[in-house]
Amino acid sequence: DTGVSQDPRHKITKRGQNVTFRCDPISEHNRLYWYRQTLGQGPEFLTYFQNEAQLEKSRLLSDRFSAERPKGSFSTLEIQRTEQGDSAMYLCASSTSNTEAFFGQGTRLTVV
Amino acid sequence: GQQLNQSPQSMFIQEGEDVSMNCTSSSIFNTWLWYKQEPGEGPVLLIALYKAGELTSNGRLTAQFGITRKDSFLNISASIPSDVGIYFCAGQRYGGSQGNLIFGKGTKLSVKP
Repeated sequence: DTGVSQDPRHKITKRGQNVTFRCDPISEHNRLYWYRQTLGQGPEFLTYFQNEAQLEKSRLLSDRFSAERPKGSFSTLEIQRTEQGDSAMYLCASSTSNTEAFFGQGTRLTVV
Repeated sequence: GQQLNQSPQSMFIQEGEDVSMNCTSSSIFNTWLWYKQEPGEGPVLLIALYKAGELTSNGRLTAQFGITRKDSFLNISASIPSDVGIYFCAGQRYGGSQGNLIFGKGTKLSVKP
């Protein structure tokens, strides 16, 4: 499978715990994006990497959220001190400079 | 965050019928994209539009980039049961970065066999 891969697919955590999600983009894609999608809404942009550089962050990305792409390949998104409002689908997408974004299957986070 | 105005919110149609949905914005967009999402999955790109007035087809799907650059529509002809899902429009705002797509709230399509 050469698509965007996200792990885990589902995560249930207790409020206050930290969680980390992983995204493996399509191998030749230098751009990687994180989006968040809540029920009944479209995806909302969180952040964007070109290679290892984080070029843009949304105001939705509070200081409890941090994303990294240390070697310009896979990326991680960490949420510290989770809150119930963090429950959502977290989507990763990747692209080249000349293609549109291809999305992964997402990680469904439930904070209880 | 900002979202596009997408309508209708939902559609219940008979197999074989044609479907039309649209998306509008108060801002000018450089690119319009249409995605389909099925339950528990990520959005899948259907059609990408890059120029005002552009009309593009992908099988039974046809989409257009509005002349004003503030709207787009998607048509599905002769619907079939596997067309069921949520269709999202998305756009790259003029002056915005490529990766920062603005999405509509989606049109949920149900097809009765």
